[in-house]
Amino acid sequence: DAMVIQNPRYQVTQFGKPVTLSCSQTLNHNVMYWYQQKSSQAPKLLFHYYDKDFNNEADTPDNFQSRRPNTSFCFLDIRSPGLGDAAMYLCATSRRGGTEAFFGQGTRLTVV
Amino acid sequence: AQSVTQLDSQVPVFEEAPVELRCNYSSSVSVYLFWYVQYPNQGLQLLLKYLSGSTLVKGINGFEAEFNKSQTSFHLRKPSVHISDTAEYFCAVSDQSAGKSTFGDGTTLTVKP
Repeated sequence: DAMVIQNPRYQVTQFGKPVTLSCSQTLNHNVMYWYQQKSSQAPKLLFHYYDKDFNNEADTPDNFQSRRPNTSFCFLDIRSPGLGDAAMYLCATSRRGGTEAFFGQGTRLTVV
Repeated sequence: AQSVTQLDSQVPVFEEAPVELRCNYSSSVSVYLFWYVQYPNQGLQLLLKYLSGSTLVKGINGFEAEFNKSQTSFHLRKPSVHISDTAEYFCAVSDQSAGKSTFGDGTTLTVKP
């Protein structure tokens, strides 16, 4: 089945130690998104790619970076995780802007 | 700019009772509307969407929603809920041109036996 896969499902990292979360898709969608979701809150968009065009949200901290080497893969890099970065990170894709998003299962990040 | 307001943060209901989860939105441009469901420690799954056409849309798991342009609402309904419907529900709106979705804060639906 075509899908969005996030690895790992659970990630524990040390305070200040760089960490990378990965997302892959078999849907061949043009758009890929990264969301941060804290407990009992709505998903918050960090950035998205339309093909290779990178779009950063104005309030996304510089600590968060992203790479999309090809259509299928997208990475979220957190350069120096703080305790406040502990959250569920959701990757999503859509065929084109504005249409429904297909979400991965998420990666729950714990910072110790 | 656009925004989404989910009017109820928590909705408790007994099994087999009807339920309505309310969603209002504001936008200066034409939008698409969505409802997603999220089970614990999972990603979001699309329940239904309104893109155009009939204002009553049917989705998975027996849910439906009605788009009301004059009231800028997109309320989600189910005539008879099950224990398995217990989850977090998010209403979302996306700008038809900009391609980004804005989510409401979510409604926790708890179905009690």
